[in-house]
Amino acid sequence: GDSVTQMEGPVTLSEEAFLTINCTYTATGYPSLFWYVQYPGEGLQLLLKATKADDKGSNKGFEATYRKETTSFHLEKGSVQVSDSAVYFCACYGQNFVFGPGTRLSVLP
Amino acid sequence: NAGVTQTPKFRILKIGQSMTLQCTQDMNHNYMYWYRQDPGMGLKLIYYSVGAGITDKGEVPNGYNVSRSTTEDFPLRLELAAPSQTSVYFCASSYTDRNNEQFFGPGTRLTVL
Repeated sequence: GDSVTQMEGPVTLSEEAFLTINCTYTATGYPSLFWYVQYPGEGLQLLLKATKADDKGSNKGFEATYRKETTSFHLEKGSVQVSDSAVYFCACYGQNFVFGPGTRLSVLP
Repeated sequence: NAGVTQTPKFRILKIGQSMTLQCTQDMNHNYMYWYRQDPGMGLKLIYYSVGAGITDKGEVPNGYNVSRSTTEDFPLRLELAAPSQTSVYFCASSYTDRNNEQFFGPGTRLTVL
């Protein structure tokens, strides 16, 4: 079945550091790929998505590119802020909708 | 627009008790979902609905029941609560299927002792 693997956290960075959170997926066909973010005490929110190979999703300074050859959708941000501290979930929608386990990011001032 | 609202925020149940988790959305979305989130795990789908009067099982439906009598409401019923149902429960909705953005409620933290 479909599955998503994310890098284990927690990830701790200083403000203005570069962020990469790795995500790889297993799915047949051409799944849609998503990043959702969960801020403390809240439900998940869609951060960005991509629906076909080589598409780049972007929002709030975050980016991720759909790489079919490596089955990856890594999340990046050039300069993180304290307000980016949250849990980030990669998700894949092929035959089923599957969430990864989440990666907790803490950004220190 | 309140979005997706859930009640209660927290609840402690004893083994064998029952309860209903409430979920309401005001965005006129057809699709609604119930997930559970266990520590260190991604969300698992319990039940979903594609419209009023239509519900179907997700990955982990055992021990739960749902109903969808209106577009707005999608309650989740736990019968005979067990410690394995200790989790955080999220309700979500989307206009069409999950290829579109899902909007999540703030969650209900349930502990079964």
